[in-house]
Amino acid sequence: EADIYQTPRYLVIGTGKKITLECSQTMGHDKMYWYQQDPGMELHLIHYSYGVNSTEKGDLSSESTVSRIRTEHFPLTLESARPSHTSQYLCASSAMTENDGYTFGSGTRLTVV
Amino acid sequence: AQSVSQHNHHVILSEAASLELGCNYSYGGTVNLFWYVQYPGQHLQLLLKYFSGDPLVKGIKGFEAEFIKSKFSFNLRKPSVQWSDTAEYFCAVNARGYQKVTFGTGTKLQVIP
Repeated sequence: EADIYQTPRYLVIGTGKKITLECSQTMGHDKMYWYQQDPGMELHLIHYSYGVNSTEKGDLSSESTVSRIRTEHFPLTLESARPSHTSQYLCASSAMTENDGYTFGSGTRLTVV
Repeated sequence: AQSVSQHNHHVILSEAASLELGCNYSYGGTVNLFWYVQYPGQHLQLLLKYFSGDPLVKGIKGFEAEFIKSKFSFNLRKPSVQWSDTAEYFCAVNARGYQKVTFGTGTKLQVIP
C-alpha cells in the first residue's frame, strides 16, 4: 500500500480556475516529484524537489508551480487552468540514494472544460 | 540525455504463456534500471531494479529482468503469466550520479484466461 497520498483523485474544473493538487508522503523522503502521464506517452517530469525550500522545473515545460515548505508536502498549483492541462498528474517520492526507486501516489485525473 | 524505448505498446497473451517485454535505453555511462507496473485502477509500483552486481535480477510475483550492457537492454521476463498480470509495464533509467529518472512509454499487457 502506498504511503504517498494525492488528492483529489478526480477533478473537473472550468477554464481559468486556479487549482492546487495535493501530495503528501509519510516516509520522510527528501526527494519528491511531479509527473504528467498521458495514454501511450512516457511519463514527463514537470517538477522535482530534493528537500525543503528546494524546487526545480523538470523536462516538460509546465505552467504549474510547486512549493516545498515541509518535507512531507509537495503541492502543485495551476494559476489558470486550460483544456491543454487535462491529464493525469502523478506525485512520487524517493529516498536520498538514487537506486532506491520511486514510490508513487494514485494520481489526480484532471479535466479542464 | 538519456532515453528509454519500449517497442511493444500492447501485448496480448494467453495464461501460462511466457512473457518478454523489451526495453532499450540510450546512455553511454553507468545506469540504474527499473521496471514499474501499474495494475488497472492502481498506482505505479516498483517491480524490480538493477544498479550493480548480478545482471539477472528477480522481482516480485515471479518477474525477472536481465541487464545486457552491450545491448543497452533490460528486458522483463516471466515464464508463465497469469490473468492477474494484466497491467501496464514501464521501464525506467537514471544515469548513475543523476537523480532524474526517465520513463519509457509503457507496454500494456493483456492476459486472456
